Amino acid sequence: QQPVQSPQAVILREGEDAVINCSSSKALYSVHWYRQKHGEAPVFLMILLKGGEQKGHEKISASFNEKKQQSSLYLTASQLSYSGTYFCGTGPKLVANAGKSTFGDGTTLTVKP
Amino acid sequence: DAGVIQSPRHEVTEMGQEVTLRCKPISGHDYLFWYRQTMMRGLELLIYFNNNVPIDDSGMPEDRFSAKMPNASFSTLKIQPSEPRDSAVYFCASTWDSTDTQYFGPGTRLTVL
Repeated sequence: QQPVQSPQAVILREGEDAVINCSSSKALYSVHWYRQKHGEAPVFLMILLKGGEQKGHEKISASFNEKKQQSSLYLTASQLSYSGTYFCGTGPKLVANAGKSTFGDGTTLTVKP
Repeated sequence: DAGVIQSPRHEVTEMGQEVTLRCKPISGHDYLFWYRQTMMRGLELLIYFNNNVPIDDSGMPEDRFSAKMPNASFSTLKIQPSEPRDSAVYFCASTWDSTDTQYFGPGTRLTVL
């Protein structure tokens, strides 16, 4: 019952845009996004709590469609530093009827010069 | 601030031994999370604390795992007895609020032979 991420991998040139999708088969109460570089700890990017909520962080933003039980991460004008593996997660259990926290398998993003 | 501190950074032990992983959260953070990451299972949230109280331990794999937070500046994750399938990188993270940015420690790489 973990979220499903797509695509599994994407290769970009600097300056190009990318979208990473995260879909869940169960109701989502929150969605967390992380980026992890090889051999390093994950870096928390953002959390989305409400359906339709969009958040931004520099040139990285995300949306959350509660009805469709999915979230998307948008990377615009990608930079070399954006390379890494991006994970979505359902977040810690904050409400009584939320399920166990789960994570997607990750999307590997490679930005080339 | 020094950030989240984890010790040891690397641990190699033999099956059946007790293993204790340690975490010092960022001062002032009220939430502490323990994660595990492996190639096979991906990233998993094991347990999280709020004000030193365990809130959700539904991710703890089995009774061999236990976590404590005796005070606001220290937490332990104990595995007794350890098994080879426990080999993973264990991350600790902390934050001021459950919906705010989580700051990850560098992780402890555990190898159980």
